[in-house]
Amino acid sequence: DADVTQTPRNRITKTGKRIMLECSQTKGHDRMYWYRQDPGLGLRLIYYSFDVKDINKGEISDGYSVSRQAQAKFSLSLESAIPNQTALYFCATSATRGPTKNIQYFGAGTRLSVL
Amino acid sequence: RKEVEQDPGPFNVPEGATVAFNCTYSNSASQSFFWYRQDCRKEPKLLMSVYSSGNEDGRFTAQLNRASQYISLLIRDSKLSDSATYLCVVWGGSSGGSYIPTFGRGTSLIVHP
Repeated sequence: DADVTQTPRNRITKTGKRIMLECSQTKGHDRMYWYRQDPGLGLRLIYYSFDVKDINKGEISDGYSVSRQAQAKFSLSLESAIPNQTALYFCATSATRGPTKNIQYFGAGTRLSVL
Repeated sequence: RKEVEQDPGPFNVPEGATVAFNCTYSNSASQSFFWYRQDCRKEPKLLMSVYSSGNEDGRFTAQLNRASQYISLLIRDSKLSDSATYLCVVWGGSSGGSYIPTFGRGTSLIVHP
């Protein structure tokens, strides 16, 4: 089983709909991240969480919200989806300390299309 | 100016060639540095960490130049399977005071027979 699991893997929705992307991890990491990737723009940070009570906006948080329900779960919501939110979304985790500190482990991604 | 910059390429090289990518960063207080590999439509995966003294892993060598604020990745004896996008990641300070990762846009490598 994957250490970082994203659901759904693919989603097609309509403009104005609220949707939630979910991420769970079994790595025991405190830190979790949500990114979006668009062709030619690389990975851009939407939100990040350093522990359950710590949520921070990233580079492009407008139109998104997150919830850290537990150490292992970090959800991304689009309150009212719009077409320019069509992208590939990745969740990632990282450790705070130790030999793998700051190495990020990614889920397989969620491909979202907003029509 | 973007905090982390990479030449998008594509770099189109024959098998067996040596190819090098650079990644420049703007925050002189940046800490951790990494190279990731991403295959088409897949998640990024760690290729190697970048240490101040430079480090090598088989055909791959990573270097950090703090004075000029760039990291590099050298691939020797390129294989067809090396075809991918290579992403650099730099951990620098955020407005909130903590260190967060910033990705470059990636460099595309195509290795042909």
